[in-house]
Amino acid sequence: EVQLVQSGAEVKKPGESLKISCKGSGYSFTSYWIGWVRQMPGKGLEWMGIIYPGDSDTRYSPSFQGQVTISADKSISTAYLQWSSLKASDTAMYYCARLRGGDNWNDYWGQGTLVTVSS
Amino acid sequence: EIVLTQSPATLSLSPGERATLSCRASQSVSSYLAWYQQKPGQAPRLLIYDASNRATGIPARFSGSGSGTDFTLTISSLEPEDFAVYYCQQRSNWPPRNTFGQGTKLEIK
Repeated sequence: EVQLVQSGAEVKKPGESLKISCKGSGYSFTSYWIGWVRQMPGKGLEWMGIIYPGDSDTRYSPSFQGQVTISADKSISTAYLQWSSLKASDTAMYYCARLRGGDNWNDYWGQGTLVTVSS
Repeated sequence: EIVLTQSPATLSLSPGERATLSCRASQSVSSYLAWYQQKPGQAPRLLIYDASNRATGIPARFSGSGSGTDFTLTISSLEPEDFAVYYCQQRSNWPPRNTFGQGTKLEIK
């Protein structure tokens, strides 16, 4: 069974750093792109970027380029989303999602990680 | 960047009624359009891909149509569990880049 399990909720202060994770299982982790999606409180879905764990090829949405870092450790089948200096506006739910092979639709999703940034 | 515009923002209907949701792209996306359903407190779920193909396990009351810039998600007879937010998404082949519409909230009338 394909599963993406994300790390737990985080509460941080502005200016702090953070790295959240998404662990894949039940499939060949290195053979599928993994994407990250932001959902701000009460708002819609925003596509942030993707990584191919097989070779760490990473692509960002222009809106998120330079704001976050996406990485992966294929030895432990885990993708990451990282901030070096959080802002209050980073408060959101973050989802990871697998891109289906062949057509890149998001077929499996993690349960989401809620990030709250508040002083 | 391609922009997807969904309408209406909110749709109020009763169980048993037919729902028609629209998604318009700012430029042609061919048939590269999907629909997702999101219920409160849950991750999105893939319903329809490539404009008209139902994903695995999706009931036949859900159907998608369209190509180019205009797409429709139809729910033929609403069940109580169908009241949710629906998003359309387009994709590019290479580099892989997907964008979402702003969503349509389907609420019980």
